[in-house]
Amino acid sequence: ILNVEQSPQSLHVQEGDSTNFTCSFPSSNFYALHWYRWETAKSPEALFVMTLNGDEKKKGRISATLNTKEGYSYLYIKGSQPEDSATYLCARGGPGGYNKLIFGAGTRLAVHP
Amino acid sequence: DGGITQSPKYLFRKEGQNVTLSCEQNLNHDAMYWYRQDPGQGLRLIYYSQIVNDFQKGDIAEGYSVSREKKESFPLTVTSAQKNPTAFYLCASSTRTGGNYEQYFGPGTRLTVT
Repeated sequence: ILNVEQSPQSLHVQEGDSTNFTCSFPSSNFYALHWYRWETAKSPEALFVMTLNGDEKKKGRISATLNTKEGYSYLYIKGSQPEDSATYLCARGGPGGYNKLIFGAGTRLAVHP
Repeated sequence: DGGITQSPKYLFRKEGQNVTLSCEQNLNHDAMYWYRQDPGQGLRLIYYSQIVNDFQKGDIAEGYSVSREKKESFPLTVTSAQKNPTAFYLCASSTRTGGNYEQYFGPGTRLTVT
């Protein structure tokens, strides 16, 4: 199993702060990197799927970058809002023809008004 | 509304009993997956299915069984052979197989075995 590490484990910020967290993964045989947002009492939902080194994706105030050569991805949230409070999961798409994802343990973000 | 449903939300069982968790999707997705979440750990893959009547073991399949008789349904049975069955179980699906296809998740079932 290829380990995916996320840091920090949890994060508390004030409303309006910008924040970022990291996903690290083995860089060999890279296929894809997924980010999911998991709000309490809801289902995880996909934010981004990235495949190319240097890829940058944006959805509203949330953006992500990917460095496949060194094995990391950053997720940025600009001007955090209380509704951004959630656990953010990253997952590395496995090699092979099937969509096997290896998940990190997540970063739990709490945005305080 | 398209999506994935899991039932029940909470399930309690006595040790030694088999229990089946339901997962249904109306997204017309070929691929379906079962994950388990334990505190402080990432989601771990139990079983996945790429197509009807086919399924493969994931990383932690021991003590679990699945079936895929219909495209929209992928039930998971937690057998008495599973040493630590108490956990949160998530079902997911994707359009097709391939590491660059996002997965759609259900709301999960929390299983407690005493």
